[in-house]
Amino acid sequence: TQLLEQSPQFLSIQEGENLTVYCNSSSVFSSLQWYRQEPGEGPVLLVTVVTGGEVKKLKRLTFQFGDARKDSSLHITAAQPGDTGLYLCAVTGTASKLTFGTGTRLQVTL
Amino acid sequence: NAGVTQTPKFQVLKTGQSMTLQCAQDMNHNSMYWYRQDPGMGLRLIYYSASEGTTDKGEVPNGYNVSRLNKREFSLRLESAAPSQTSVYFCASRRLAGGNYEQYFGPGTRLTVT
Repeated sequence: TQLLEQSPQFLSIQEGENLTVYCNSSSVFSSLQWYRQEPGEGPVLLVTVVTGGEVKKLKRLTFQFGDARKDSSLHITAAQPGDTGLYLCAVTGTASKLTFGTGTRLQVTL
Repeated sequence: NAGVTQTPKFQVLKTGQSMTLQCAQDMNHNSMYWYRQDPGMGLRLIYYSASEGTTDKGEVPNGYNVSRLNKREFSLRLESAAPSQTSVYFCASRRLAGGNYEQYFGPGTRLTVT
């Protein structure tokens, strides 16, 4: 059983559309991170959310941490081809080790 | 700053061969990590080093060894490669910023074992 379940696994949309991806768990976390991984590269940290109900914005990306700190969502407005990649959520567990979800693979086409 | 660098970028091995994956970071971070990434499995921690001179097993350590050579370098060794070790390997380092840990990843090594 995965600690972090991400959905959907795959998403293919056209430029200009909006989308939301989810990261869910039955456990409570003190913080949660989102990373983006472009093809052929390593993951890059986008944001850390720490407070239940917190909303953070990064240009066209909006991140929300659930009130109970068990889940999170990432909303992209007016997607662009440059948003293509694998979106990973991650939480810090024992011994400060990161555990990653399996990711949502996003393809944005012209 | 180069950040986290990894060599080689690609490697093909035959079953039973050995090799060492190299990783270096120039950000003066204490903690370093090795992950493998497989389709549908996400990133899984192989080994980590919380500080120079210490190493610990992660989720999937079998078949691997590591060496924290100094603060900058953390290498991963496959003593006898197996096809199940075909994967993409990422090295990362970590810093504490604003009360949160942030990991920085290298570009990865794509390893195929035939």
